[in-house]
Amino acid sequence: DSGVTQTPKHLITATGQRVTLRCSPRSGDLSVYWYQQSLDQGLQFLIQYYNGEERAKGNILERFSAQQFPDLHSELNLSSLELGDSALYFCASSVGQGISYEQYFGPGTRLTVT
Amino acid sequence: AQSVTQPDIHITVSEGASLELRCNYSYGATPYLFWYVQSPGQGLQLLLKYFSGDTLVQGIKGFEAEFKRSQSSFNLRKPSVHWSDAAEYFCAVAGSSGGYQKVTFGIGTKLQVIP
Repeated sequence: DSGVTQTPKHLITATGQRVTLRCSPRSGDLSVYWYQQSLDQGLQFLIQYYNGEERAKGNILERFSAQQFPDLHSELNLSSLELGDSALYFCASSVGQGISYEQYFGPGTRLTVT
Repeated sequence: AQSVTQPDIHITVSEGASLELRCNYSYGATPYLFWYVQSPGQGLQLLLKYFSGDTLVQGIKGFEAEFKRSQSSFNLRKPSVHWSDAAEYFCAVAGSSGGYQKVTFGIGTKLQVIP
């Protein structure tokens, strides 16, 4: 158990809908990262927040947005969902904001868009 | 732009045999390199990392990796594989790109262990 929690574990929704994925980092960790893992794209970095502020951006679509709240939990919002958004979404956390800090991964949220 | 190549999508080894998983990276400067393991239904777990110094890095679960700058490689090794090592392994490179620091993962190598 990494100490990172993600809810829900599974999510099934229809195209065009909007969903919110939630992540609680390990106690004491200030950074939260979001990743998407799909069969065709592999594991891709989406976005990083550190202590409430955006720190790094990867291949995140404009239909996706994220935020980190004062209690350090984070939410990833996916809107206008398409079939291709079906994937496993991971959250990771680390104590610092640089890439040298070890990232601890949550168990993921499996999103299925029908 | 940084990139990672894992040329072997799937590898099968016998329990007790040695293992080497290949990883080649592309990055302009000295990279930060990582190996992660993902068991079925689980998130990723860090096995080991290289930032600088000794090019032979020891990790958890008996794994090691060697950084070879001349070959742009960071291969993962284990002298004797256990059935519990069956999982998917990801090599990753981290560095600055477009003003951000971020991690790029390889496509992964799925390891099957046979008795």
